[in-house]
Formats: sequence, structure tokens, C-alpha cells
Amino acid sequence: DAMVIQNPRYQVTQFGKPVTLSCSQTLNHNVMYWYQQKSSQAPKLLFHYYDKDFNNEADTPDNFQSRRPNTSFCFLDIRSPGLGDAAMYLCATSASRASYEQYFGPGTRLTVT
Amino acid sequence: AQSVTQPDIHITVSEGASLELRCNYSYGATPYLFWYVQSPGQGLQLLLKYFSGDTLVQGIKGFEAEFKRSQSSFNLRKPSVHWSDAAEYFCAVGALGSGYSTLTFGKGTMLLVSP
Repeated sequence: DAMVIQNPRYQVTQFGKPVTLSCSQTLNHNVMYWYQQKSSQAPKLLFHYYDKDFNNEADTPDNFQSRRPNTSFCFLDIRSPGLGDAAMYLCATSASRASYEQYFGPGTRLTVT
Repeated sequence: AQSVTQPDIHITVSEGASLELRCNYSYGATPYLFWYVQSPGQGLQLLLKYFSGDTLVQGIKGFEAEFKRSQSSFNLRKPSVHWSDAAEYFCAVGALGSGYSTLTFGKGTMLLVSP
């Protein structure tokens, strides 16, 4: 089945220690998104890629970076995690820039100690 | 800018009873509307969507939603709730801005199912 896969499902990192979260997709979609979701809150869009074109939301902290080496993979890098960065990180894809329907992965739960 | 309001943070329903989750949106153009469900520790699963046409849309797991333009609402319904429906439900509106589509989510409604 075509799907969006996130690894790891649970990640523990130390305060200030860089961490990378991974997302892959078998849907061959052009667009990939990263959302941050804190407890009992709505998902908040951090950035997205349309193909290799990177789009950063205006209020996404510089501490968050992303890479998309090919169509299938996208990475979220947190350069110096703070306690406030503990959250669920959701990856999603859509077929095109004008497609509103997004397909979500299971998420990575990040804990910062 | 678009926005979504889900006025109920928590709702408790008895198993077998009917369910309605409320969603109101604000958007200047024709909205694209979605309901997603999120089980604990999981990602979001699409339940149903409205783009155009029939204002009553059917989704997976026996859910349906009705688009009412005059009320700016897109309420989710299910005639008989099962214990496995306990989860968090998010309403979202799609918008096209700066050349790409985005989803704006409501804050979610947590559904609790009592025996």
C-alpha cells in the first residue's frame, strides 16, 4: 500500500543536542509538509517542499531546518532542541501544489530531556 | 485569513448514541473542507472531504458531514457511535495562498465514548 512513513516513531534527545526526524513516502507526491503538534493543539505548519522548492512559514524558528534529497524522502533537523520543542512532528504529502488533500504519516513523538 | 472554530473541546457520548461534532469556518471564497481523526499517538486520518456538489458527504467508518454555507458550518455526524471512535477529531479548511494550498486546522474535539 502507498503510504507515508516516519522514523523513528519516538525520539528522545537532550537539550541542545541536534536531532533529525525522517519521513518517506511511496505515493510519489510532489509536495511534502512538516507540522508540529503540541499536546491538545492543532497541527501547525512549519514548512513544505514543492519538489525541491522550499517554503518556510513566516513564524517557523530558525532552529528548524529541512532537507529533501529526492522525491521520496524529507528530513526535519532541529539544530538545538529546547524543552519547548517537545511535540509530535507530523509529515504529510499531497499530489500537487494546488491539491488540498494531504496524507499524513503516523508522526514522531519528540521528547527533550 | 481563513480560520476554523471547533467550539467543543471535549464531548462524551454513550456507545450506540448519535454524535454531532461542530465546526465553523471563516474563508472568503468557496471552502474546501475536511475532517480528520487522530487516535492517541497516531497521525491524522482523513474521514471525509467537501469540495463541491452535494452538501452531504459520506466518509469512512460510517461518518458523514453536511456543508451549510449560510451557517459557515461543516458538522460531522455519526448515527451510532462505537467505542473505537474515541479519538480526537480535527476540522480543517483548505485555502490557496502564495501559489500553494494549505490546511488550517481547528483546535480539535476530543470524543470520549462511555459504555
